[in-house]
Amino acid sequence: GENVEQHPSTLSVQEGDSAVIKCTYSDSASNYFPWYKQELGKRPQLIIDIRSNVGEKKDQRIAVTLNKTAKHFSLHITETQPEDSAVYFCAASKGGGGADGLTFGKGTHLIIQP
Amino acid sequence: DADVTQTPRNRITKTGKRIMLECSQTKGHDRMYWYRQDPGLGLRLIYYSFDVKDINKGEISDGYSVSRQAQAKFSLSLESAIPNQTALYFCATSDLVAGAGAFFGQGTRLTVV
Repeated sequence: GENVEQHPSTLSVQEGDSAVIKCTYSDSASNYFPWYKQELGKRPQLIIDIRSNVGEKKDQRIAVTLNKTAKHFSLHITETQPEDSAVYFCAASKGGGGADGLTFGKGTHLIIQP
Repeated sequence: DADVTQTPRNRITKTGKRIMLECSQTKGHDRMYWYRQDPGLGLRLIYYSFDVKDINKGEISDGYSVSRQAQAKFSLSLESAIPNQTALYFCATSDLVAGAGAFFGQGTRLTVV
């Protein structure tokens, strides 16, 4: 089955700096890669996703890049703010839009230092 | 607003007891999922369902069973709970047509003592 590795497990950055979280996947048939943000005590929420026919996608301060050849994808957050502090999960799926279920990485705890 | 609702939100049960976690949704999505979250392990798929006649095992289905009673209802059962099933359980839904990933419920914190 699919295996998703996520690094780092903890990332501390100064407010205003950029943060990058990286994931690799094992199954070349995976074609959908979402990112979720989970604040303490809350449910995971989708923040951005990318499909295998696209190399990069941006939404304001957040961007995701995908390298299908290397089987890795990354989340980039620019101009970090205190409200960006949370645990971030990457995921991969073979089904359209994650329909067959998602395989998650183990998460990155992002800490924004004031 | 359309949502995914899980009941109960918290539950403490004893080893060997049968317990059911319930999930209902008003999002009109056809697909429903149960995930388990453990600290440091991320979320892992237990079961998923495409419609009331379709049930599929996920990565960690042993010790669990599910029932899709209607398009909007998907329940997870632990036939004989054991302490290592202590975890945070999330129900999720997705829309095949929109293909926009999974929308999660608020979660059920289950403790087996």
